[in-house]
Amino acid sequence: SQKIEQNSEALNIQEGKTATLTCNYTNYSPAYLQWYRQDPGRGPVFLLLIRENEKEKRKERLKVTFDTTLKQSLFHITASQPADSATYLCAQDSNYQLIWGAGTKLIIKP
Amino acid sequence: NAGVTQTPKFQVLKTGQSMTLQCAQDMNHNSMYWYRQDPGMGLRLIYYSASEGTTDKGEVPNGYNVSRLNKREFSLRLESAAPSQTSVYFCASSSGTNHRNTGELFFGEGSRLTVL
Repeated sequence: SQKIEQNSEALNIQEGKTATLTCNYTNYSPAYLQWYRQDPGRGPVFLLLIRENEKEKRKERLKVTFDTTLKQSLFHITASQPADSATYLCAQDSNYQLIWGAGTKLIIKP
Repeated sequence: NAGVTQTPKFQVLKTGQSMTLQCAQDMNHNSMYWYRQDPGMGLRLIYYSASEGTTDKGEVPNGYNVSRLNKREFSLRLESAAPSQTSVYFCASSSGTNHRNTGELFFGEGSRLTVL
């Protein structure tokens, strides 16, 4: 069955540095991947979608890459700020639904 | 702009009790979803509705029923709650109906359910 893996350990980054989060998928090659942000006690909020024919997508300080050979997506936040601290979820399409990773907690230290 | 609204936000039930989680969206979206989120696990799809009048099972439908009351509203019912259903439940909606073009999901704030 399809599986999405994200680093379960929290990622601690110094303010101003670039944070890079990893999302690995198995088996089935998705048509697209999505990234969401989730704050404690809140619902996930959509950030970016990248399709299989796109190598890179940018939105302000965010950048997502999609490597179908490595079966991996990387999510970058440049010039990170404490307000970027949250859990980031990766999701891939699979037939009729999205398959979700458990998320990586990002902590940006001042 | 309310987006996706879920009620209640918190609920404590005893084993065997029933309850309904309500969800409404004001974005005129075709598709609506119910997920559960448990610690250390990704969101898991319980049921979804690609359009008004249709519902389909997701990954973990056992113990749940749903109703797509109209285009705006999608409710989730637990007929006989079990401790294994203790979780955070999220309702979501999207404009897509094609299963390969779901597009971005808009989520509610969640309903935190504890079954004792």
